[in-house]
Amino acid sequence: GEKVEQHESTLSVREGDSAVINCTYTDTASSYFPWYKQEAGKSLHFVIDIRSNVDRKQSQRLIVLLDKKAKRFSLHITATQPEDSAIYFCAARYGNEKITFGAGTKLTIKP
Amino acid sequence: EAAVTQSPRNKVTVTGGNVTLSCRQTNSHNYMYWYRQDTGHGLRLIHYSYGAGNLQIGDVPDGYKATRTTQEDFFLLLELASPSQTSLYFCASSDTGGSYEQYFGPGTRLTVL
Repeated sequence: GEKVEQHESTLSVREGDSAVINCTYTDTASSYFPWYKQEAGKSLHFVIDIRSNVDRKQSQRLIVLLDKKAKRFSLHITATQPEDSAIYFCAARYGNEKITFGAGTKLTIKP
Repeated sequence: EAAVTQSPRNKVTVTGGNVTLSCRQTNSHNYMYWYRQDTGHGLRLIHYSYGAGNLQIGDVPDGYKATRTTQEDFFLLLELASPSQTSLYFCASSDTGGSYEQYFGPGTRLTVL
């Protein structure tokens, strides 16, 4: 089945700088790549996704890039703010009904 | 907005005990999922369902049963709990399978002593 590797287990950036979280996947048939955010002590919520028919998507300060040849996708958070501190999970669709998550990246925004 | 609730929020049981975790969604979603979250592993899919009476096996199903009694209700059953099942369990729902946003419940922390 699909495997998703999240390369950074922890990441620390200064407030106002950009943060980049990188993920790779194994199944060339994967076509949908969502990102979820989990704030401390809370549940997960969806933040942004990208489909395989595009290579870039932006929503406000979030940018997702997809490189299908390298089977790699990344989340860029620009102009980071303290409320961006959280665990971020990348995921890839496997089959038609389920997604596979990465292990998570704990992002800390330093003042 | 999507609403997914879980009960109990915390549960402590002993090895060999019987545990049922409950999940209810009020969004008329077809798909419901049970995940466990463990440090270093992210979220791993245990079971999922695309409608009442349907059950699909996930990626880490051993030791777990599940039942979808209605469109709203999805239960996870641990009939002989083991310490390895100590984890944070999340239920989620989505309108379609995998392609669309999943809405997560608040989680149930289970400790098996």
